[in-house]
Parts: sequence; C-alpha cells; structure tokens
Amino acid sequence: AQSVTQPDIHITVSEGASLELRCNYSYGATPYLFWYVQSPGQGLQLLLKYFSGDTLVQGIKGFEAEFKRSQSSFNLRKPSVHWSDAAEYFCAVGSPMYSGGGADGLTFGKGTHLIIQP
Amino acid sequence: NAGVTQTPKFRILKIGQSMTLQCTQDMNHNYMYWYRQDPGMGLKLIYYSVGAGITDKGEVPNGYNVSRSTTEDFPLRLELAAPSQTSVYFCASSYGQGEAFFGQGTRLTVV
Repeated sequence: AQSVTQPDIHITVSEGASLELRCNYSYGATPYLFWYVQSPGQGLQLLLKYFSGDTLVQGIKGFEAEFKRSQSSFNLRKPSVHWSDAAEYFCAVGSPMYSGGGADGLTFGKGTHLIIQP
Repeated sequence: NAGVTQTPKFRILKIGQSMTLQCTQDMNHNYMYWYRQDPGMGLKLIYYSVGAGITDKGEVPNGYNVSRSTTEDFPLRLELAAPSQTSVYFCASSYGQGEAFFGQGTRLTVV
C-alpha cells in the first residue's frame, strides 16, 4: 500500500526567508506526486504535480518541488515566503494510469502547518 | 465554470439522524471522490466513482453510502449519524490523471 509521510507538523518561517517542506512516500514504482495548499476554511488547491520527466517541477505562487527517486522524496520549496503563504500544505501520491491506477484517488500526508513570522 | 460545488457548507446533526451531502461538478470529469478531513490526520478516502453507475469503497467507508446516477452528481449519504462522523467532508473530481479538483468542503458536527 502506498503511504505519504510529512515529518513536520508545524513549521515557522520569517517573511522573506526560504522554505522547504519535506515529503517522503512509499510506493512500488514511481507514483504521481502532488502538493496541495489549504487556506483556513477553504478547499484544497493544487500547487504543482509530477508525473514524469524533469525532476524539478515549477508550480503556482512561486513554489517548486524536486522529485528524488533515490530518497523517495518530493520536497516543496520557495525562495522567499510571503505572509499570504501561511496555510496547511499537503503532499499526496496517486497511482499512475499506465499501471492501472488513477481511479482510486490520492493518498495524502497528514499535512504541514506553515506559520509566517513578520 | 463553477468547478466542484458542495452543499451545505455547515451542518449540525443529532446522533441517529441522517443526511445527504450534495456534490456536483461541471467539468465533465468521470472520476469523483469523497474524502473526510480530521485534524492532524490529512484526508481519508471514503468512496469513489469512476463513472455514472459505478462506485467503490475507499479507506473509510463504514457509515456512509454513495450513488452516481449522473456524471455531474455524487451525493454522500450518512445514515444513523455518530459523533465519530464529525469531520470536514470534501468532494473532488478528476479527469483521470490523478490531479483532483476539490470543493470548498462541508463542516459536519454530530452532537
């Protein structure tokens, strides 16, 4: 069974500082990988996704993530955070369509709560 | 293009009552999902559907039922509500490559 681990429950970063949120996954092959963001009282918005190809993927709002197969990781980064980045961040994995998956939803990590200090 | 729409946004139920959470999408996605979100636990899949007339259980289906009579609609039914079903419920849809589009959620409290 696939699983996702987000080791940090809370992270506090000063505004303007760089950010890295960690995500490790367990899956038999290379899964589809996603980062979602959830603002308070809102649904989840997709930040970026990795299916194949270039292991460094760019997303919205200045975020990027790097897929490292050897470490089973898909860490999210941003060079300079803004107060509006304060939110809950979720890493998720999905089964690739070519392996017969894709229909049975995503497996989510427990989330990392990002706090921005002024 | 409204995306995924969930109703109601908030609801308080008494133990033993039943209710239906509504979900509709206007993106013509075949795949639809119901998740529940509990504090510190991420999202857990309750049920999913790969098309009209086809549904299947996810990780936490007990106490819930679904139906999919049309591509657009995927209601979630709670029978005999229990305090353990207090949660935030999210409906999502997908075109099949895994990327999911989420509704705004329904916050349900069972007292």
